[in-house]
Amino acid sequence: ETGVTQTPRHLVMGMTNKKSLKCEQHLGHNAMYWYKQSAKKPLELMFVYNFKEQTENNSVPSRFSPECPNSSHLFLHLHTLQPEDSALYLCASSPGTGTSGANVLTFGAGSRLTVL
Amino acid sequence: RKEVEQDPGPFNVPEGATVAFNCTYSNSASQSFFWYRQDCRKEPKLLMSVYSSGNEDGRFTAQLNRASQYISLLIRDSKLSDSATYLCVVRHSGNKLVFGAGTILRVKS
Repeated sequence: ETGVTQTPRHLVMGMTNKKSLKCEQHLGHNAMYWYKQSAKKPLELMFVYNFKEQTENNSVPSRFSPECPNSSHLFLHLHTLQPEDSALYLCASSPGTGTSGANVLTFGAGSRLTVL
Repeated sequence: RKEVEQDPGPFNVPEGATVAFNCTYSNSASQSFFWYRQDCRKEPKLLMSVYSSGNEDGRFTAQLNRASQYISLLIRDSKLSDSATYLCVVRHSGNKLVFGAGTILRVKS
């Protein structure tokens, strides 16, 4: 609907599981982002990719591993997560990360993750 | 101090009311400012950018006060469909976007 599609929409996993979140954008954008949204907290930037290259890692624990095979696809690989990692994970894209390009993010609907 | 601070609300207003939200930011070097809207269990969507001279889009008016480091959003003639969380967003140098935690608005009939 927004041009940014995330799957799965809901995911429940145990602390020893390995799973992946997927994001695909059909907007022709060059930059893609992962954000974490916990209840009553601001969106937290996790990773930024521009033209497939990671340009920002916001001190994210290594149990979150991003992958960006091309400008249209972004993955977040999850392993040995903790219950406090339960949150809504939002993918976004923008035309670029330059002065004007970074200004408008288009978000996907999010993947709601529950870690048991 | 948080980089971007908003009153979490909720603001409960009747239809037709005028309501205003403020947002303060800590980094005086912040360059761009935005309001995003997030409906319940949905993704954030850009509502409007905030320009130095202030700007209006229909029933919505956004203003920036750099001296006091705050931005505001005014909604006139509130509709039921305006019920949402309004996120204040500030761009620092280096193009990093920082989101506030949001202000909840509930418009009631």
